[in-house]
Amino acid sequence: QQPVQSPQAVILREGEDAVINCSSSKALYSVHWYRQKHGEAPVFLMILLKGGEQKGHEKISASFNEKKQQSSLYLTASQLSYSGTYFCGTAKKTSYDKVIFGPGTSLSVIP
Amino acid sequence: SAVISQKPSRDICQRGTSLTIQCQVDSQVTMMFWYRQQPGQSLTLIATANQGSEATYESGFVIDKFPISRPNLTFSTLTVSNMSPEDSSIYLCSVDRGLYNEQFFGPGTRLTVL
Repeated sequence: QQPVQSPQAVILREGEDAVINCSSSKALYSVHWYRQKHGEAPVFLMILLKGGEQKGHEKISASFNEKKQQSSLYLTASQLSYSGTYFCGTAKKTSYDKVIFGPGTSLSVIP
Repeated sequence: SAVISQKPSRDICQRGTSLTIQCQVDSQVTMMFWYRQQPGQSLTLIATANQGSEATYESGFVIDKFPISRPNLTFSTLTVSNMSPEDSSIYLCSVDRGLYNEQFFGPGTRLTVL
């Protein structure tokens, strides 16, 4: 079952912060975050595991609330290069399992 | 990570024909995945391909329409059969190379069916 993402789209000015949310109705073992720029393939950002720690990548970090089956991606002090579509993906196992992607959140950072 | 190539990068095909898309990985992987992405949409998993076994298809996708081969641990093909304009999309292969099944994607094949 596809996870749900919010918001659908967001526009930021450089330096502003944003939060993208991902939730699932089913129990999660891992949550993935990917960014896709226009005309390119998605690129892996980070993964959060059940029982694991909050992960960080540059000024992008994420959290995973296992009880609520929710994850949030935090982008701080946004840069123009952060523009793109962000997808969360969920898997039922921590390895050798398919990933089901959410509908995506379009993020535009403007000067 | 992984270096993944796909051929062709794009193609324009006539209705009723078939196209085979190739996916090559720079090292051996257990699982390969085929996704479809329509313009402005998310990634929809078509099937999972393991070497030495039949591909596992997701709901709404059937082997007769999307036959998949996985002859070895570095290569897979996806065929889009008897194409219609509704098959126009970007097709991406991905591999599971990380410790916790992080997905690494090929550049995609942009298919247009007239």
